[in-house]
Amino acid sequence: GAGVSQSPSNKVTEKGKDVELRCDPISGHTALYWYRQSLGQGLEFLIYFQGNSAPDKSGLPSDRFSAERTGGSVSTLTIQRTQQEDSAVYLCASSLVIEGLAGAFKNIQYFGAGTRLSVL
Amino acid sequence: KQEVTQIPAALSVPEGENLVLNCSFTDSAIYNLQWFRQDPGKGLTSLLLIQSSQREQTSGRLNASLDKSSGRSTLYIAASQPGDSATYLCAVDTGRRALTFGSGTRLQVQP
Repeated sequence: GAGVSQSPSNKVTEKGKDVELRCDPISGHTALYWYRQSLGQGLEFLIYFQGNSAPDKSGLPSDRFSAERTGGSVSTLTIQRTQQEDSAVYLCASSLVIEGLAGAFKNIQYFGAGTRLSVL
Repeated sequence: KQEVTQIPAALSVPEGENLVLNCSFTDSAIYNLQWFRQDPGKGLTSLLLIQSSQREQTSGRLNASLDKSSGRSTLYIAASQPGDSATYLCAVDTGRRALTFGSGTRLQVQP
């Protein structure tokens, strides 16, 4: 019955190193999202997974960023050759989209506590 | 491209006051709008979700309204308490499922 779990909660790394951030969604949720929250800015969409469909990667800022979701559950966001501007809080969310009539749907996203990444 | 703006960016009120947070969006073709609360060092908690066919939603002391045609939503907090201190975020879903967020209103309720 746990919520969305993210690890690590904090990560400090040196510029140029690769990092992996993990997200464990709520069991049964078919949709998983990664967002980034930089200091003084709003949440920025990165990538979205829905079931077995191809992920929506349109928010990834560069090819140094990638993500995968294994077995429709756990997801890993990988940042290669980290830069200082990658420093931010990375938030993961999961949801169970409920389709209604005439195209309406409910998509309540449940967020993890985030991983605070600091690139020195 | 959908843009979401929240006003004010920060707000400080004495305990007991009623207050209104504002959210505006540029593209009225939304499926729904959500209000979230974010506490320091923590994730987001969904407070209210208004579907595009609805005008308002209520939960306890919170009431959110939606005027899709004018691209506006308001979050009304009645009888504010120090425990309401947090950042409040507005987000819209334009059908691509990922949300577009405003930059938030940081609320401080003073005892």
